[in-house]
Amino acid sequence: ETGVTQTPRHLVMGMTNKKSLKCEQHLGHNAMYWYKQSAKKPLELMFVYNFKEQTENNSVPSRFSPECPNSSHLFLHLHTLQPEDSALYLCASSQEGGKAFFGQGTRLTVV
Amino acid sequence: AQSVTQPDIHITVSEGASLELRCNYSYGATPYLFWYVQSPGQGLQLLLKYFSGDTLVQGIKGFEAEFKRSQSSFNLRKPSVHWSDAAEYFCAVGDSTDKLIFGTGTRLQVFP
Repeated sequence: ETGVTQTPRHLVMGMTNKKSLKCEQHLGHNAMYWYKQSAKKPLELMFVYNFKEQTENNSVPSRFSPECPNSSHLFLHLHTLQPEDSALYLCASSQEGGKAFFGQGTRLTVV
Repeated sequence: AQSVTQPDIHITVSEGASLELRCNYSYGATPYLFWYVQSPGQGLQLLLKYFSGDTLVQGIKGFEAEFKRSQSSFNLRKPSVHWSDAAEYFCAVGDSTDKLIFGTGTRLQVFP
């Protein structure tokens, strides 16, 4: 248990569906992140939020839409995804200093 | 370009044997270096990190890593592997803002 909770753990969705991934941390961290982990590829940083403000968007397609309503919660809204978007989506949080805590991830399958 | 290379995709060792997982990085500034472990179906757990100071870093679960600036390496070691160490190991480099660049990982298999 790292203190970062992601729900759901598994998600299967059609290409026309709209779904959301949720991440929650109560560690008092001020930065939260979304990473994508695909088979045989390095983890890819998608979005970074610092104090609820988005500070990084690594050229992520608009079908992924992040939302950070407060420092403890981070969402990833999904719509019209493609099969190649199937992956493990990891949320992380940190306080300044380089120690990121990761959630267990949401395994997403797009059919 | 900033990057992390883990040259070994898959390593198999016998329980009780020593282990070394390789990591090389390319980074413009002084790097912050990390090793994470991921068990099947789980998120990433931090094993150890290097920011500055002593180049030999001790981590959890008996792991250690040595930062060698001249070789741009940060190899992970353990003197005696346990069956529970079977997992995927990721090396990462970042700056003080924690935006990590990960390697592709090394899958460790442990035989009894």
